[in-house]
Amino acid sequence: QVQLVQSGAEVKKPGASVKVSCKVSGYTLTELSMHWVRQAPGKGLEWVGGFNPKDDETVYAQKFQGRVTMTEDTSTDTAYMELSSLRSEDTAVYYCASLWFGELPHYYYYGMDVWGQGTTVTVSS
Amino acid sequence: DIQMTQSPSSVSASVGDRVTITCRASQGFSSWLAWYQQKPGKAPKLLIYATSNLLSGVPSRFSGSGSGTDFALTISSLQPEDFATYYCQQANSFPFTFGQGTRLEIK
Repeated sequence: QVQLVQSGAEVKKPGASVKVSCKVSGYTLTELSMHWVRQAPGKGLEWVGGFNPKDDETVYAQKFQGRVTMTEDTSTDTAYMELSSLRSEDTAVYYCASLWFGELPHYYYYGMDVWGQGTTVTVSS
Repeated sequence: DIQMTQSPSSVSASVGDRVTITCRASQGFSSWLAWYQQKPGKAPKLLIYATSNLLSGVPSRFSGSGSGTDFALTISSLQPEDFATYYCQQANSFPFTFGQGTRLEIK
């Protein structure tokens, strides 16, 4: 069974960067398509970005282009999401989640079936 | 981008009631629509994939339907553990997008 364990809560000042980690167990990171979703306090879910297995590339929501970077360390099966130029509106719980997908005869995506526990990022001066 | 609009944003219902939540897409797509349940302080949980397929372990009182631009989640007989917030998500194409959520409250 895949399990995702995220790093702990962070408090950052406006303009700073934050890097959240997501440790995979039960599978290797290369077998998964990792995504990141955030949820501001009292708000809904917002997809930040993730790995597109069809095109073998990381894709980001337009809103975060230029500020977010998602990386993977396959030696430790850990995924990272770094968000820069933080502002108060970035205060949220950030989740990593594994995308369940199929690839025969063509790629199709079922949904995110395994989630991390969430990492609270607070941006405050 | 495909925009997803859920309705209602909140609904009050009683144990045993039947509830339907709808999700409308800004453009039509094939069946790659997922539904999630989220309880306070917890990560979302995938309930239904590909419009109408229940994940293993999800009670049969949950069902999904729809095609094109209109999709629905129905809970046939509400149980106390079903009171939560529900989200639809289109998994047809990137960027993925979620509906704004429907909060299901106890009447």
